[in-house]
Amino acid sequence: GAGVSQSPSNKVTEKGKDVELRCDPISGHTALYWYRQSLGQGLEFLIYFQGNSAPDKSGLPSDRFSAERTGGSVSTLTIQRTQQEDSAVYLCASSQDWIMDEQYFGPGTRLTVT
Amino acid sequence: GDSVTQMEGPVTLSEEAFLTINCTYTATGYPSLFWYVQYPGEGLQLLLKATKADDKGSNKGFEATYRKETTSFHLEKGSVQVSDSAVYFCALSDRGGSNYKLTFGKGTLLTVNP
Repeated sequence: GAGVSQSPSNKVTEKGKDVELRCDPISGHTALYWYRQSLGQGLEFLIYFQGNSAPDKSGLPSDRFSAERTGGSVSTLTIQRTQQEDSAVYLCASSQDWIMDEQYFGPGTRLTVT
Repeated sequence: GDSVTQMEGPVTLSEEAFLTINCTYTATGYPSLFWYVQYPGEGLQLLLKATKADDKGSNKGFEATYRKETTSFHLEKGSVQVSDSAVYFCALSDRGGSNYKLTFGKGTLLTVNP
């Protein structure tokens, strides 16, 4: 079946612009996660959703980062006023339920801030 | 807090050599343990998992045993192939703590030469 999909696959933006990254989880998966992969920091957890609720936003690096999920499906990660240190690969994952351990990852969105 | 420490690479082996990638962890609760693999240009894929002490996860010739006494989950393969060249990540989800997120090690780059 279809896996987790993310769009765009690559995004180049100028410093100070806003960007939106999209994630389509596996159908029927109620839990959705955002991670960031960068050379300096490795893989970092950002936020997770159970349904449309985000019980823990503590991993978001700053208040320029926000995320929402609608209809228990698609999620959007928004970065406002992008900075060069935001350059990274943003990974989305989903799992059947937050209690289920196995998370399935999308291919990621490579964000480059110039 | 939770943490995962894995041997830093890069690791370079010849085809059919024996592979070990060490991984140790610290967790507040009773974690599930995972190995994920990232092939060049692709997203993270779950390679294997173990959910309780002395469990052995295995897949594609790779194995790892959950050792609670040494807080370790070392990845092994008896005979590597060129196609195993990838970055390998050890990870945990802490069922006694923040069990909705994965905490990753920094990754180990494996290159297998013919």
